[in-house]
Amino acid sequence: DTAVSQTPKYLVTQMGNDKSIKCEQNLGHDTMYWYKQDSKKFLKIMFSYNNKELIINETVPNRFSPKSPDKAHLNLHINSLELGDSAVYFCASSGGVTDTQYFGPGTRLTVL
Amino acid sequence: DAKTTQPNSMESNEEEPVHLPCNHSTISGTDYIHWYRQLPSQGPEYVIHGLTSNVNNRMASLAIAEDRKSSTLILHRATLRDAAVYYCILSPRTSYGKLTFGQGTILTVHP
Repeated sequence: DTAVSQTPKYLVTQMGNDKSIKCEQNLGHDTMYWYKQDSKKFLKIMFSYNNKELIINETVPNRFSPKSPDKAHLNLHINSLELGDSAVYFCASSGGVTDTQYFGPGTRLTVL
Repeated sequence: DAKTTQPNSMESNEEEPVHLPCNHSTISGTDYIHWYRQLPSQGPEYVIHGLTSNVNNRMASLAIAEDRKSSTLILHRATLRDAAVYYCILSPRTSYGKLTFGQGTILTVHP
């Protein structure tokens, strides 16, 4: 069983569209994260939720909105997609905010 | 966030030990030293972490300098599967899990 899963794996879309990426973890963890890895391969944290509450909200355009319907899921919705949003997005989870993070396989988003 | 400095790349031969260095001269007392790696086309994977003492696990060993201003990740016998980007990350207990990834060290393992 995959511990942290993301769907879709690939997402190709036009500028201006709205899209969502879903993340699920079956590890029973309380904390979930979204990271973005750009074309230069730098990984940056975007958001973190602990027990469904937002605890990290880095400087991210408000077109990006995370939603945590329950502790096992953290979805990322992106409005009005721009070319610069093209990247690989990784979801991660940890048992607590100081614990080891387990990453998903990533979603490669391409905005045309 | 305290900064880490790693070599851009290193090479090793299969079955040989690999020592991956990391400098973190501005480390604070509450900063944990984490190592993650990212295999090609995969998400990052936890390797090891420590605070002050050396640490061992099934994947690697972490040697932390006495002044904590540097650390070394040791892979005892490199395999082809260990070829990855290795990230040394400082994270204080108060960071709410925020990991700040640098550019890491690209490890190439030759057969």
